[in-house]
Formats: sequence, structure tokens, C-alpha cells
Amino acid sequence: QQPVQSPQAVILREGEDAVINCSSSKALYSVHWYRQKHGEAPVFLMILLKGGEQKGHEKISASFNEKKQQSSLYLTASQLSYSGTYFCGTEISLYNTDKLIFGTGTRLQVFP
Amino acid sequence: EADIYQTPRYLVIGTGKKITLECSQTMGHDKMYWYQQDPGMELHLIHYSYGVNSTEKGDLSSESTVSRIRTEHFPLTLESARPSHTSQYLCASSPGSPWDQPQHFGDGTRLSIL
Repeated sequence: QQPVQSPQAVILREGEDAVINCSSSKALYSVHWYRQKHGEAPVFLMILLKGGEQKGHEKISASFNEKKQQSSLYLTASQLSYSGTYFCGTEISLYNTDKLIFGTGTRLQVFP
Repeated sequence: EADIYQTPRYLVIGTGKKITLECSQTMGHDKMYWYQQDPGMELHLIHYSYGVNSTEKGDLSSESTVSRIRTEHFPLTLESARPSHTSQYLCASSPGSPWDQPQHFGDGTRLSIL
């Protein structure tokens, strides 16, 4: 039931791009994306609702393909501040419980 | 900036002790959550609440208990701590409506049971 994220880890140089995927075996109603830096609380990035939408947030954007039951997070022209672990949180309930199941995480490291 | 506070930030304590981890939020959020997270690993939901006097167990079985007597307060209690309870515990909250609001996380309590 836990979403699987890929890749598990990414190493980038500043300015490079990355894609992080989140796949579920269950139908998804929404996907949340969070970034957690070492020793800190997870920080909200964006929510995507069912309907196949794409959202953008500065140089970070995401897509949601409900047919494929997956979401992808796109990081373009990466900055040092993008380093951290990225988690997707999926809502699989028809009843809008706002109860998220978090993915396995993707560790991103950006070097100068 | 989210206003959700967890205390203590770190706790090292012996086996068998009763522990209460505090979580308070000043945003008036109806929904509150407790997650358990081992270092570098994913977050597992252990308890959640949709409002006062509402508590539910999460997906990961936990020997802890919670209470929600006031909207702003969602403490987690371990009656008798064991080394297997060593982990980080994160509290989060979100508004009751509309549906699908971001969860705001506290800084967590790192618990170590000797």
C-alpha cells in the first residue's frame, strides 16, 4: 500500500535537472509532496488533485497521472537549497480523510 | 509560517518509564497527526484526530496512546517505554476544510530509550 519512490537517491551538480517518481498500487485521489532536510521537519511543496493536473512552484513542478497511479516531481536548474529527502504523500481514500500514506523517500544531494 | 510546537525536542530515558510527548498548535486546525520516523526513513502514521474527542489509530501499529481534549493539544503517551520505541516522533496538523490542505509539521521529538 505504501507508494514507491524512484530513484532512491540522486546526486546532482548545481544547475542540473532531476525527476522523482511516486507510484502507487492503489487508485489515488491526491498527491502531496514534501521536502525534509536533515534534522528538520518536512516542509510542504505542493498538492495535486485527481484530474491529471500539473502544478508549478518556482523551478519545482509536478504532474499527476491518475490512470497510471503515479506522480512525478520535476526539479529544474537545481540549487544547493534543494538538497534533502523528498517524500510523496498519497491519499487513497474515497472519503477525503486527509490521511496520507507517505512514500519510501528520495534523497537528493546537490553539489556546487 | 506554521505554528506547531513539540516538546521535548530530545529525550533520553530508561526502560519502563512513562513518557508523554507534547504537541500544540495555535492555528485552530481540526486535524492532527502523529508520525513515527526512523533516521533517513519514511514517515509512518501512528495516530490521527479529526477534532476534539476524536482519535484513530494509523497504519503502523503502536503501543502509544493519544488524547484530544482541546483543539490545540494532541499529546502522545507511552505507558512503559522500551528500546524498540526509540525513534523520531513528528506531530502535524491541517485545517478541517476544505479537503486536501497541507500538513504542517512540528520539529519532532527524538526519543531514545536505554
